[in-house]
Amino acid sequence: GQNIDQPTEMTATEGAIVQINCTYQTSGFNGLFWYQQHAGEAPTFLSYNVLDGLEEKGRFSSFLSRSKGYSYLLLKELQMKDSASYLCAVTDSNYQLIWGAGTKLIIKP
Amino acid sequence: EPEVTQTPSHQVTQMGQEVILRCVPISNHLYFYWYRQILGQKVEFLVSFYNNEISEKSEIFDDQFSVERPDGSNFTLKIRSTKLEDSAMYFCASSTGTGDYNEQFFGPGTRLTVL
Repeated sequence: GQNIDQPTEMTATEGAIVQINCTYQTSGFNGLFWYQQHAGEAPTFLSYNVLDGLEEKGRFSSFLSRSKGYSYLLLKELQMKDSASYLCAVTDSNYQLIWGAGTKLIIKP
Repeated sequence: EPEVTQTPSHQVTQMGQEVILRCVPISNHLYFYWYRQILGQKVEFLVSFYNNEISEKSEIFDDQFSVERPDGSNFTLKIRSTKLEDSAMYFCASSTGTGDYNEQFFGPGTRLTVL
């Protein structure tokens, strides 16, 4: 079966750094996405990794290790508006997006 | 900036009724998708559509579901006989293609409530 695991909830402090992990087991791999979703809203694209390594994009970075089936999203200089769910999604061999359940990130002042 | 739009934003219907959810994908995109998200649960893939036909569908997408691109801009999801468990947020998405980089742009969603 296809499976994507990420923590259900994390809490961090404004201005700090947080790392959200994602592990996956899918039939094939054609890339991994991180999306942000505020409550009641649509997911919005954050990052994409298809090769091993770190992709940096402003305050957000995403890392991928294909051999380990592992990715993380790193958020720096946390702001209150970063409180949201962070969804890990993998494109499988059919180019179908398989979604994790999301990690709810709570930012405290 | 181009965006995916969906109508209606909210739909309330009685069990057993048919509903049609509408989407207007980004104009130069070729691939279209429907997802659903039951409240508090993860996003689930329903179907992908390319070149006027379904390219992939999930186990959720059974005979009560159908999709159509009736004209050059709209992309619709029809649920023939709604069930209570169809209550969810339905997201439409579109992308330029598949392949290594396939960012899907999501619409704001339609919240479907089946009573």
